[in-house]
Parts: sequence; C-alpha cells; structure tokens
Amino acid sequence: NAGVTQTPKFRVLKTGQSMTLLCAQDMNHEYMYWYRQDPGMGLRLIHYSVGEGTTAKGEVPDGYNVSRLKKQNFLLGLESAAPSQTSVYFCASRSTGGGGNSPLHFGNGTRLTVT
Amino acid sequence: KNEVEQSPQNLTAQEGEFITINCSYSVGISALHWLQQHPGGGIVSLFMLSSGKKKHGRLIATINIQEKHSSLHITASHPRDSAVYICAVRYWDSGGSNYKLTFGKGTLLTVNP
Repeated sequence: NAGVTQTPKFRVLKTGQSMTLLCAQDMNHEYMYWYRQDPGMGLRLIHYSVGEGTTAKGEVPDGYNVSRLKKQNFLLGLESAAPSQTSVYFCASRSTGGGGNSPLHFGNGTRLTVT
Repeated sequence: KNEVEQSPQNLTAQEGEFITINCSYSVGISALHWLQQHPGGGIVSLFMLSSGKKKHGRLIATINIQEKHSSLHITASHPRDSAVYICAVRYWDSGGSNYKLTFGKGTLLTVNP
C-alpha cells in the first residue's frame, strides 16, 4: 500500500498563478484533510472532507478551494497564489473506526513557494 | 479553543540518554496524538491515547487526564531519533458542534553520537 501520496513535492509559483495539489489515499478512508505548516506555528487545518462529495472549511480556508469527487482523492486549489501562501502543505486521512479516534496518516508534504 | 503547549521547544541530548517531551492542553480532550516529523520529511503517527500509557519499542507515551498533561519518553536515545515531535489534541468544540484537532508547535530533538 502506498498510504497517502501527495503531488507535487515542490512547486514555485508567481503571484497570481493558480495550481492544484493532489492527495491520493489507498486505505479507503472516509476523512481527508489539508493542513499547512509554517515556521513557529502548529499545523493548521485549511479544509477537510468527511466523505466523497463533501467538503468543509477549516481554520484558515481563505484563498483555497477543495474538491472530493472521488473517495480516494482530495484536491486543494489555489486560484490566485499570494506570497502569504508560501508554506508546506500536508494532506492526511483517517478511517471512521475507533469511535472517532482513529490515527491520522499523513502524506510527505508539498513545499510551495510563491514569489 | 484548546491551547496546546509543548516543552521544551528544543532539546539536545547525547546518544543513550533518556528523553522526555511534555505536552499540556487547556480543555478536556477525547484523544491525544504524538507525531514524528524528520527534517524535510513527512509526518508519522507514533501514538494515539486517551488514558494511561502506551509503549512501542523505546518510545513510551503517558497521559494524565486530570492534569491535562502528556509526556513522550524515549529510552536509550539514538541519533536516528532526531526529529520534530508534535503533540495534537482532539476535543469537542461546543461552539462549532464538532470535533477539532489542535497541534502543538513541536519539539526539535537532536541526539548527538
């Protein structure tokens, strides 16, 4: 099993450009999440999904959109990139088992730089 | 909102030493996660616990629900243990009527040979 796979691993954008980050998981997990990690701060939730076709806003959703058309994929889009979106982005997934306390599985991250 | 504080922020140890990393939180939780992140790498879940103690190899995680505190211990530390260790707490957010997960800022551990 590959687990959680993020593409691309690195990307440099110019201000105003758009891009999509892809997260794919092969564990049949219902829940998927997008986080950003910035120096000196804990991981912060951007958007999340509790199942195919559903998405919800997290703590820092502005400037991002998401889609979950297939259960295994969760896409994060930046329509008009800004330097403030320079960060490392992590995707994570988990199952619905364990009474809601199932462990998180993370991807290896995407390092995005916006100039 | 649940405030999560980790200490220390940075920790340097010699190979073989016993390591303790602490995590405190402000609001009652349903579960606490300990995660490991190697430099430039992904994030791996080490433990998830809601009470008591868990052990995996040289790693031990404990939690005291009454004191809202958890510790991660590493016995016989090794340079390959060098990483950032992150605490995260899952709790019911009554204002938003759902569960939330709040992450600490992490503890950077360096183990020298």
